[in-house]
Amino acid sequence: GAVVSQHPSWVICKSGTSVKIECRSLDFQATTMFWYRQFPKQSLMLMATSNEGSKATYEQGVEKDKFLINHASLTLSTLTVTSAHPEDSSFYICSARYGARNQPQHFGDGTRLSIL
Amino acid sequence: DAKTTQPPSMDCAEGRAANLPCNHSTISGNEYVYWYRQIHSQGPQYIIHGLKNNETNEMASLIITEDRKSSTLILPHATLRDTAVYYCIVSGSARQLTFGSGTQLTVLP
Repeated sequence: GAVVSQHPSWVICKSGTSVKIECRSLDFQATTMFWYRQFPKQSLMLMATSNEGSKATYEQGVEKDKFLINHASLTLSTLTVTSAHPEDSSFYICSARYGARNQPQHFGDGTRLSIL
Repeated sequence: DAKTTQPPSMDCAEGRAANLPCNHSTISGNEYVYWYRQIHSQGPQYIIHGLKNNETNEMASLIITEDRKSSTLILPHATLRDTAVYYCIVSGSARQLTFGSGTQLTVLP
């Protein structure tokens, strides 16, 4: 149980393109979803937290106009990287949590984004 | 959230128990201890979590000291597929997870 699916796994696109990444909880309703970013040889860094039906809360230094997060249902959240540039190339990972707040987060397998 | 300290790397022989330590001396009363692992180029995998009692599931056991200032994750019979970076994270009930550097566990044949 507690499966989180992330799509696509890989995406390569030209600079200036906008890219949408989907995160779905397959067998549970996710009250909260999280988006992380991981650069090579570094640990995961939280970008934003979103609750279904509410605006996302962004971490300091993360541009909300560049990284658009939508959490329209209890099973789907999307991250759109707008006007992506090479410095946005990274490994983007979502996670989802259900139930009580002490319940663990379950992670997707990540999306490797490469901007040329 | 309380800070955690883990050794940067550990080796373990295949078939033996892997004991991964974590110090969290500043943990507060409402903070849980979570363990995740990340295999290269994949998302983190949840292993186990606990508040103050020892916990066991199909993957591992979590031993938390009585003063809660440290814990140990035990993989009872390590396999080559257990090679990964293991993260010990302390988090309160309403907080997000803050990932540190973790421990690179290498299971040797």
